[in-house]
Amino acid sequence: QKEVEQDPGPLSVPEGAIVSLNCTYSNSAFQYFMWYRQYSRKGPELLMYTYSSGNKEDGRFTAQVDKSSKYISLFIRDSQPSDSATYLCAMRKPNTGNQFYFGTGTSLTVIP
Amino acid sequence: IAGITQAPTSQILAAGRRMTLRCTQDMRHNAMYWYRQDLGLGLRLIHYSNTAGTTGKGEVPDGYSVSRANTDDFPLTLASAVPSQTSVYFCASSLSGTGSTDTQYFGPGTRLTVL
Repeated sequence: QKEVEQDPGPLSVPEGAIVSLNCTYSNSAFQYFMWYRQYSRKGPELLMYTYSSGNKEDGRFTAQVDKSSKYISLFIRDSQPSDSATYLCAMRKPNTGNQFYFGTGTSLTVIP
Repeated sequence: IAGITQAPTSQILAAGRRMTLRCTQDMRHNAMYWYRQDLGLGLRLIHYSNTAGTTGKGEVPDGYSVSRANTDDFPLTLASAVPSQTSVYFCASSLSGTGSTDTQYFGPGTRLTVL
């Protein structure tokens, strides 16, 4: 079993919809959580970073962490066609140097 | 523009040939990384370097080598390419490599096909 699981989708929603993207993890040692957005044929770009349970909001994006359930989510409000991309979750344990654990990514298409 | 550059953008390579993928960052980050991304497998760490002069093995290091002569450059070499090394390769960097809140920044990728 992989330490980080992410539904690959694809997910297709109409413009303006609320999108929910999710990852689960198996190791409670993960303490730092990130979401990356990757456009087609581009490198991943950091979207949000959080290290505590609860919600963190940045514009139309909200990152949610539930450490008790080992579950993280990214919500996109008022989704736009420009949000069409693959979203990868990533997480890290304290004091483990450079070991980042990535989900396989969820492909999202926002239809105008 | 600050960031990470990779070269070449794409390459078709005959099996058995030697190939070096180049990566340069101008953010003065201490740590650098090489990943390969394959459909259904996500990003897998090949090699990393926490600081100039040091390197380490990641999850899938076999068939690859790296060097870190200075802070900015982190080339990845395939000594004798095989078709299973067909992939998209991403270079990344982070400020420290060991800090608890460290996050990684990625380059645009190199699309490599080995025939």
